[in-house]
Amino acid sequence: GESVGLHLPTLSVQEGDNSIINCAYSNSASDYFIWYKQESGKGPQFIIDIRSNMDKRQGQRVTVLLNKTVKHLSLQIAATQPGDSAVYFCAEIPYGQNFVFGPGTRLSVLP
Amino acid sequence: EPEVTQTPSHQVTQMGQEVILRCVPISNHLYFYWYRQILGQKVEFLVSFYNNEISEKSEIFDDQFSVERPDGSNFTLKIRSTKLEDSAMYFCASSPDRGKEKLFFGSGTQLSVL
Repeated sequence: GESVGLHLPTLSVQEGDNSIINCAYSNSASDYFIWYKQESGKGPQFIIDIRSNMDKRQGQRVTVLLNKTVKHLSLQIAATQPGDSAVYFCAEIPYGQNFVFGPGTRLSVLP
Repeated sequence: EPEVTQTPSHQVTQMGQEVILRCVPISNHLYFYWYRQILGQKVEFLVSFYNNEISEKSEIFDDQFSVERPDGSNFTLKIRSTKLEDSAMYFCASSPDRGKEKLFFGSGTQLSVL
């Protein structure tokens, strides 16, 4: 069936470096995508979203890129900080349907 | 910023007992959800609720589960007879619109069934 998956289950980066977390999706009907951050013991927190009519969106230190041709989504975090250590989930949302979450990538920021 | 609140943060229960997990969604939101996350696994959809009825449910949401909006602010998940495999973190979420806007999640209730 349709699914959302992640290329890398874990990612370790040096503090100050940029991080890139990837996500593949397979439902071509998805028109809305979100990245969530989940810290230990907490609920998912919204980071940034993008709709299918865009290919790039920037937030504060974060950028989401959407490549509909290859059904790929990425989250870029600039100047990664210790507070960025968490599990990051991508979610795809086919129009009018429920969110489908990927399995998550754990980001570890090394001092 | 408004937030979804969940109580209790931790719930320990004996197998076969009933539990009720409580949530207060954001006040002007219309869509309410329950998700669960078994330790180390991804967030899984359980049920969505709109206009005082279930709009969609997953195969996980069997007859042991029920949801209710008993008043204008609370949204509850009841598990009638808990099983060991119900142990998980349960997240409530709300949204102003379905599939078009982000979900706002609560901080979760950790349910442990012994």
